[in-house]
Amino acid sequence: AQSVSQHNHHVILSEAASLELGCNYSYGGTVNLFWYVQYPGQHLQLLLKYFSGDPLVKGIKGFEAEFIKSKFSFNLRKPSVQWSDTAEYFCAVTPGGSYIPTFGRGTSLIVHP
Amino acid sequence: DTEVTQTPKHLVMGMTNKKSLKCEQHMGHRAMYWYKQKAKKPPELMFVYSYEKLSINESVPSRFSPECPNSSLLNLHLHALQPEDSALYLCASSQPLGGASNQPQHFGDGTRLSIL
Repeated sequence: AQSVSQHNHHVILSEAASLELGCNYSYGGTVNLFWYVQYPGQHLQLLLKYFSGDPLVKGIKGFEAEFIKSKFSFNLRKPSVQWSDTAEYFCAVTPGGSYIPTFGRGTSLIVHP
Repeated sequence: DTEVTQTPKHLVMGMTNKKSLKCEQHMGHRAMYWYKQKAKKPPELMFVYSYEKLSINESVPSRFSPECPNSSLLNLHLHALQPEDSALYLCASSQPLGGASNQPQHFGDGTRLSIL
């Protein structure tokens, strides 16, 4: 069975610091990759997605992620975080040929003003 | 605002009560999902409906009973729940394979359920 690993469970940063959240998956075939964000008390919403093409994808709110096939990774980055980025971040992977994602356990990000 | 509407937003019920959670979407999505989410944890898949047919039941106890009356609506009927069932219940929708495949899920705000 495929799995999705998010190694950073809790991240605490000051505003303007750079962010990188790791996501690794175990699946050898074609995959579709997603990062979702859940702000406190709100629904999960899509930050960005990768299906094919340029492995560097840009999402909303200044986030980007890079797909590195050889490393089975899809790390999320933001050059300068804001207090409003405080949220839970979930990586999700859907194998090609499926429409049901597997979620990572999530990373809790706290940004201090 | 999300395009997936869930009602009620909050529900408190006793262990002998029967209640239902409702979910509605008008995006034309033909896959709908129920998830259970505990605080600071990822969503746990419970049920998946594809084209109004139950396609996945992740070994969920029978005290949870899903229903998909039509392509826009998804219900979750609750009966004789236990305190450990207290959680946020999320509904999501997407296009299943064969439609606009591999599209992301759209989530509702959830119903926060507390079992007394």
